[in-house]
Amino acid sequence: SAVISQKPSRDICQRGTSLTIQCQVDSQVTMMFWYRQQPGQSLTLIATANQGSEATYESGFVIDKFPISRPNLTFSTLTVSNMSPEDSSIYLCSGKDRDGEQYFGPGTRLTVT
Amino acid sequence: DAKTTQPTSMDCAEGRAANLPCNHSTISGNEYVYWYRQIHSQGPQYIIHGLKNNETNEMASLIITEDRKSSTLILPHATLRDTAVYYCIVIGYQKVTFGTGTKLQVIP
Repeated sequence: SAVISQKPSRDICQRGTSLTIQCQVDSQVTMMFWYRQQPGQSLTLIATANQGSEATYESGFVIDKFPISRPNLTFSTLTVSNMSPEDSSIYLCSGKDRDGEQYFGPGTRLTVT
Repeated sequence: DAKTTQPTSMDCAEGRAANLPCNHSTISGNEYVYWYRQIHSQGPQYIIHGLKNNETNEMASLIITEDRKSSTLILPHATLRDTAVYYCIVIGYQKVTFGTGTKLQVIP
């Protein structure tokens, strides 16, 4: 099984600033994903992080707002740019291994004031 | 695209079996059904997954209908620690579709 860690675990940010969230997997995974969970709602897929190329974004999410990097098979970052209070959410990353099992990180709780 | 629907909430008596249904009527042939649960806004915890056969592990059983349009997660002997939100998720090659989640309350 894979263990996924995220940094920071939580942050309080001011409107208009940006925050980069890091996701580290302790073993190689074939795919990595980023999600957002707004208060009281289910998780929503933001994008698939592709190694060495641009991420694949879901409808409603764009690269300018949520730039993603994945330089290798075990690490990815998500940046929440030009934040507004509506971006206050829990952001989670996940990794999918060769057996198809998907593991989730503990999440980053973001509050934008 | 696959869409999943789940009841919003369910109660279950402690020690009894909890049966959580999920509809995924538009699932594709190569998409798997996964179940996760989330306790107190922690990261989702993996429970079980399957493609078309029924599956069982130490945590739960997964029953998938023959047409694959629905499935049921069974917790055989629910405990108070099983109180959580349970998500049914359809996962394809590069596609993940979360259900709305069922809030399971296990009652003493």
